[in-house]
Amino acid sequence: KAGVTQTPRYLIKTRGQQVTLSCSPISGHRSVSWYQQTPGQGLQFLFEYFSETQRNKGNFPGRFSGRQFSNSRSEMNVSTLELGDSALYLCASSLEHRTEAFFGQGTRLTVV
Amino acid sequence: GENVEQHPSTLSVQEGDSAVIKCTYSDSASNYFPWYKQELGKRPQLIIDIRSNVGEKKDQRIAVTLNKTAKHFSLHITETQPEDSAVYFCAAVPYGGSQGNLIFGKGTKLSVKP
Repeated sequence: KAGVTQTPRYLIKTRGQQVTLSCSPISGHRSVSWYQQTPGQGLQFLFEYFSETQRNKGNFPGRFSGRQFSNSRSEMNVSTLELGDSALYLCASSLEHRTEAFFGQGTRLTVV
Repeated sequence: GENVEQHPSTLSVQEGDSAVIKCTYSDSASNYFPWYKQELGKRPQLIIDIRSNVGEKKDQRIAVTLNKTAKHFSLHITETQPEDSAVYFCAAVPYGGSQGNLIFGKGTKLSVKP
């Protein structure tokens, strides 16, 4: 079966702009989580959605937001982009809250 | 909230040697501890995990140990091979969280020299 799919794979944006990233989970998976990966901070948890509801949120500013649709696809949005938002954004999906999380290939965001 | 510390940040071993990576966590209520391997340019992939009611788990050349009292867990790789070269991340699920709410260590870059 198809894995976790993230689009786009690469993105270049200018400071002050906003961006929307998309994640399609493995078919049947209802939990979708987002992580930011940078060389300095490693993998940091952004938020988790389950059945269209945000279940947990990491320690990121309100410029970072997300949502989940009825088909479990998820989007995350970053408004007023800053240079420090340049990172690999990874999405992970799992069947239920106590099962393995599978990661997508990520979206590489560069803010210039 | 939960905080996970991981050591060392880099590790270089000769092929065939063993490698050990150690992590400590702060939230005594954390109950699930996975390890992910990320090869260069690829997605993180789960290689082994352990729950808080188990002290040790083994899968071929990989093993994980958990000491709940000391709040630390370790990854052991025996008979290392060049294809084990990657960045390894430990993680913990904090109290009230789920497998989708992972708090990661900062990673260990393992290099296995042939």
